Amino acid sequence: NAGVTQTPKFQVLKTGQSMTLQCAQDMNHEYMSWYRQDPGMGLRLIHYSVGAGITDQGEVPNGYNVSRSTTEDFPLRLLSAAPSQTSVYFCASSYSGYRSGNTIYFGEGSWLTVV
Amino acid sequence: GESVGLHLPTLSVQEGDNSIINCAYSNSASDYFIWYKQESGKGPQFIIDIRSNMDKRQGQRVTVLLNKTVKHLSLQIAATQPGDSAVYFCAECQGAQKLVFGQGTRLTINP
Repeated sequence: NAGVTQTPKFQVLKTGQSMTLQCAQDMNHEYMSWYRQDPGMGLRLIHYSVGAGITDQGEVPNGYNVSRSTTEDFPLRLLSAAPSQTSVYFCASSYSGYRSGNTIYFGEGSWLTVV
Repeated sequence: GESVGLHLPTLSVQEGDNSIINCAYSNSASDYFIWYKQESGKGPQFIIDIRSNMDKRQGQRVTVLLNKTVKHLSLQIAATQPGDSAVYFCAECQGAQKLVFGQGTRLTINP
């Protein structure tokens, strides 16, 4: 049981490049989310999914795409990286939604720098 | 804008003292709140939660208080230890799918 696994841990991109942040969980969780955390800030929701084939936008979705073709994986795609997307990205998953805090699992984070 | 925020960005306390971290929320319909601890270079770690039908909940060395009248949440940490140094966030559950996080408070424990 590996929990929530994010890759890569660190990435440097040039402006305009595209890339995918990977998130995988092996706990059969239906709910998965992507957050970004800027310096001195709390986490802000980018996109979320309540099950395979279902995704929706969060608070800051612009510049990002997601898909949920399987229960296990929830990749986050940056279409054309911009310096404003320099941030730490966290993936989270939960079996029964975010109504029970001690069942929400976060990944270790992906540090992205766009130059 | 954000519906959840913290009053103080930093807090320093002496080891062994109690600390209180505050949080304000604006959505009166929110009925579930979570406190997280985040250490440098790591993801948020669950500390304690509270539902709106409660005013107080206690855990091991931590207590969360909820005042729905003024939409205020606080986290009390008793007998602080060096390992308590971290950034603490409150999060407000807006529906089953969304957590809205506050700005965070950096707690520093002085020896």
